[in-house]
Amino acid sequence: KNQVEQSPQSLIILEGKNCTLQCNYTVSPFSNLRWYKQDTGRGPVSLTIMTFSENTKSNGRYTATLDADTKQSSLHITASQLSDSASYICVVSAWDDYKLSFGAGTTVTVRA
Amino acid sequence: DGGITQSPKYLFRKEGQNVTLSCEQNLNHDAMYWYRQDPGQGLRLIYYSQIVNDFQKGDIAEGYSVSREKKESFPLTVTSAQKNPTAFYLCASSRGQGMIDGELFFGEGSRLTVL
Repeated sequence: KNQVEQSPQSLIILEGKNCTLQCNYTVSPFSNLRWYKQDTGRGPVSLTIMTFSENTKSNGRYTATLDADTKQSSLHITASQLSDSASYICVVSAWDDYKLSFGAGTTVTVRA
Repeated sequence: DGGITQSPKYLFRKEGQNVTLSCEQNLNHDAMYWYRQDPGQGLRLIYYSQIVNDFQKGDIAEGYSVSREKKESFPLTVTSAQKNPTAFYLCASSRGQGMIDGELFFGEGSRLTVL
């Protein structure tokens, strides 16, 4: 069964600090992995996409990494801002399955 | 601006009533989806449609129904048969291969509460 596990479930950081979110998956055969940002009460928005051959990809202050061998991904937020307060969802797709596998998300709270 | 519009944003329903959630997109996407989001869980697929006049059940289709009469519209009806309908419902669309490349464009969601 394809599964996606995210950790931690939630975290609180001070504005300006960095944090790293983790995503472990068992999806196979792996196609790609996306990180979405979901503000409270809103729909998710795609941040990055990682394919099998990519190790690191950045989108502004967001940097995603992928280790396809260990089936792990991380999302690093640098110099956090209050607007980074949101839920971050890891989504993995498989080549032979027409359904995406969603993690439960990590809720990040940035405090001034 | 292109996007996906869901309505209503908030909806209250009495037990035994059917309700319909609207989803409209002007992105010219072929595929559309309905997901349910509950606290502490990943999004779960209710129904999806890859083309007009065709749709497929997802993982939790029981108690829900959909139609796809127009490319732009994919309404979801939550019937009285759905035992626990209180949830946040998300509509999404993709350029046809969304399930493969994972790029979904989501609406703002509809929060349904059963009284």
